[in-house]
Amino acid sequence: GAGVSQSPRYKVAKRGQDVALRCDPISGHVSLFWYQQALGQGPEFLTYFQNEAQLDKSGLPSDRFFAERPEGSVSTLKIQRTQQEDSAVYLCASSLALDGEQYFGPGTRLTVT
Amino acid sequence: GENVEQHPSTLSVQEGDSAVIKCTYSDSASNYFPWYKQELGKRPQLIIDIRSNVGEKKDQRIAVTLNKTAKHFSLHITETQPEDSAVYFCAASGNTPLVFGKGTRLSVIA
Repeated sequence: GAGVSQSPRYKVAKRGQDVALRCDPISGHVSLFWYQQALGQGPEFLTYFQNEAQLDKSGLPSDRFFAERPEGSVSTLKIQRTQQEDSAVYLCASSLALDGEQYFGPGTRLTVT
Repeated sequence: GENVEQHPSTLSVQEGDSAVIKCTYSDSASNYFPWYKQELGKRPQLIIDIRSNVGEKKDQRIAVTLNKTAKHFSLHITETQPEDSAVYFCAASGNTPLVFGKGTRLSVIA
C-alpha cells in the first residue's frame, strides 16, 4: 500500500504569513508524529497523536505552532506568523504504536523569507 | 528527559571496509533503539532496530549491539559499498517519543 505522504513538498512563505502542512499517514496507523529537521541535524520531536488525541505536544517551539488530527487519520501542522527560524524540513511519521517502527513521509521543506 | 549523543559526526571508509557508529543515551527507561538511514533530500528509512531484551541483532551486512548497563548502542556495517553513503541517525525511546542523535555522515570511497 501507499506510504506516508505529505503536502506540499516545498513551501516558501513570507515572514508573518500562516502556513498549513498536511500529513497522510499509512492507513490503520494509530500513532502519528511530527518532527522538525534543521539542516545537518537529526529530526526533533514536535508532537504526537494517538488516533485523534494529541498526547504530547511538549516539542512545539511556541504557541504559533498548532497541530490537529480531528478524525484520527490526516493531520495538519499549522504555523502562524512564520519567522525565519521556522525554516526547516517538517517530517511526519506514522506507526502502529508509540514504540513501533515509524515510517516517515518525504517531508515539507519550509523556507521563510 | 532523554538525551542521545552520536559519534562520529563524519566517517569516511574505503569500499569493503567496516564502519562503526556509536550512540549513548541517558534515560535508563529507554528500551527501543532504531537506526535510520537518510540519503540527501530523502526521508529517513529504518534500517535496523533493537529492543532492550536482546544484546545484538544482525541483518545481512548490518548489525546493532546494545549495552544497557553502559547505556550505549552501536551500528556496524560490514563490507561497505558506495550506496551505503548517507547520513545515519540513532534514536532511543522508552514508551515516549523518539529522541534522535545528531547524525553521522558516512562516505564510502570506491
